[in-house]
Order: sequence, then C-alpha cells, then structure tokens
Amino acid sequence: DTEVTQTPKHLVMGMTNKKSLKCEQHMGHRAMYWYKQKAKKPPELMFVYSYEKLSINESVPSRFSPECPNSSLLNLHLHALQPEDSALYLCASSQQPPGTVNYEQYFGPGTRLTVT
Amino acid sequence: DAKTTQPPSMDCAEGRAANLPCNHSTISGNEYVYWYRQIHSQGPQYIIHGLKNNETNEMASLIITEDRKSSTLILPHATLRDTAVYYCIAYGGATNKLIFGTGTLLAVQP
Repeated sequence: DTEVTQTPKHLVMGMTNKKSLKCEQHMGHRAMYWYKQKAKKPPELMFVYSYEKLSINESVPSRFSPECPNSSLLNLHLHALQPEDSALYLCASSQQPPGTVNYEQYFGPGTRLTVT
Repeated sequence: DAKTTQPPSMDCAEGRAANLPCNHSTISGNEYVYWYRQIHSQGPQYIIHGLKNNETNEMASLIITEDRKSSTLILPHATLRDTAVYYCIAYGGATNKLIFGTGTLLAVQP
C-alpha cells in the first residue's frame, strides 16, 4: 500500500468556523508533511513531523495548528481562517525524515479548501 | 538548497520521447536531483532521483551532467496521461526541504 489518503476532498468554511483536515498513511513512514498550494503556484512546505514530533514550522500563522496523534495520522486544525487561506492542502509522507539519505515523499490527493 | 531553472512549458508528440531540461548550477555535493510531477488537481508524484550517476526506472530516465550543473528527465514514450507540471528539485544540503520551483508544464499532443 503506497497510498496517502486525505479527508475531506473539499471543504468550505466560514471565517469563524473551526475545522480539521485529516491525513493517513499505512506505509510505516516516520515523517509526515503539510504543504499549501495556491492556484497555479507550486506547493509550499508548512510543517514537518519526524517520529511524531514537530520538527519544522515554516513560520505558519497560528490559525493553522498541526497535530500528529500517532505515526499513521496527521491532522491540520483550522480556526479563524481568512479568504486568502483558500488553497489546496497537501499531505505527504516519507520513509524517514530528511537527512543523510533523502527518501522520496508520497503525496496525498489534497483537500481543496475554500474560506468564505 | 540550490535553485533550479526550468523552461515554463514544452510540447511533445504522443509516442515520442519527452526530454525535460533542468539547470542547477549552484547545486552542492550532497544535494540530490529529484523529479516530481503533478497532474492537474492531483498531488505531486515522485518520478526519479539521482546524485551523480544516470538513473532509470519504470517511469523515466535521469541524465545528470558530469559537473552536476544540469540534468535531463527523459520520458521515453510520452502518452497523453503524461501531461503534467514537472518539477526538478535539488534536495538535501543544509535545509533538507523539498522546495518546489515553478516547474515545466509538459503538454503531450495527440
């Protein structure tokens, strides 16, 4: 199984709502990632979890709150978002965190988020 | 991490080889060249990577010049399903982050 799954596929939320994005992998990977992709732009790294610990936060606003409950799951909690946060949110995983040997990342299909 | 430069778009006839170039003149010795592609509205897909030697897998071949300043991704027999944005990334080094550039939009024509 080389699949990363993400739910929901689409999400529309108001600026006062609280919602969560979910990502799951069952490949035994020890690193998981959140990326944000605006229309017609490349993906941009937001967070990296290594062995269930947050290792990289790319200065993401606190209205985005990541969580890694276990080695297979990654959540992104959303609160008080702005319309400019509308984007495709991609989750990825890799066998090991980036290091001496850089393993390829497997991406999920993404959650398309619209903030109204 | 080294910056990469790719042409914004390329066309290729179906059934022909697609050769996608990438310049990475500032790549450091411990940075790998990675290629991903992103088909419209899907997540990026890993294709291949290499350090110094040429590499081949079931999807593509990667040719890296001896000085490592540039590389070429080769899709030997392009199909319509290969239409996608192809990203060349120098991955590793000090930051160890996968930093996507603007990529090349490959359009395979029937």
